[in-house]
Amino acid sequence: GQQLNQSPQSMFIQEGEDVSMNCTSSSIFNTWLWYKQDPGEGPVLLIALYKAGELTSNGRLTAQFGITRKDSFLNISASIPSDVGIYFCAGSSNSGGGADGLTFGKGTHLIIQP
Amino acid sequence: GAVVSQHPSWVICKSGTSVKIECRSLDFQATTMFWYRQFPKQSLMLMATSNEGSKATYEQGVEKDKFLINHASLTLSTLTVTSAHPEDSSFYICSARRPLEQYFGPGTRLTVT
Repeated sequence: GQQLNQSPQSMFIQEGEDVSMNCTSSSIFNTWLWYKQDPGEGPVLLIALYKAGELTSNGRLTAQFGITRKDSFLNISASIPSDVGIYFCAGSSNSGGGADGLTFGKGTHLIIQP
Repeated sequence: GAVVSQHPSWVICKSGTSVKIECRSLDFQATTMFWYRQFPKQSLMLMATSNEGSKATYEQGVEKDKFLINHASLTLSTLTVTSAHPEDSSFYICSARRPLEQYFGPGTRLTVT
């Protein structure tokens, strides 16, 4: 089946620093989604990307859908303590990320030191 | 954003018993819902796709007779873990589909003793 390679696996950063994480795939996805999951809770959608090359922002978060449709990155600027959590990329083969069950990356665990 | 609830949020059961988990979309109708399983420190893995009024579609390796899915209405899907065993202990998360996105429930922690 399809697999997503997400990196880094974990990040230890200082408050105020910028963060960058990415996902790559061996196959094409038509939708890329980025989620944040806090312990014991379900994932919360951060950003959805539907077109190759698309660059989308949500506050301090920016994500891009790679031109090849096989990769995506998420940047967080000026990190704050509440950014702590696990970030997952997810891909869908359908245009419109709701149509199919999603394939998830293994997650990036973000830890912020005050 | 869309709201999806799950009940119960956690459950402990004895080996051999069955457990039912409910997933509800509270402010929208969802013809399709998805069930995922997440083991500790791992990613979410899709188990099955639940379609209102029809049979669920299961991912390879997921036993349909063990994980019974019923999508009886446009706002409710249920997952029943039958004859549960300790290896079924996991975090079960549902999502409800809207045209462009999926919204996830808060998850149900199942512990089988």
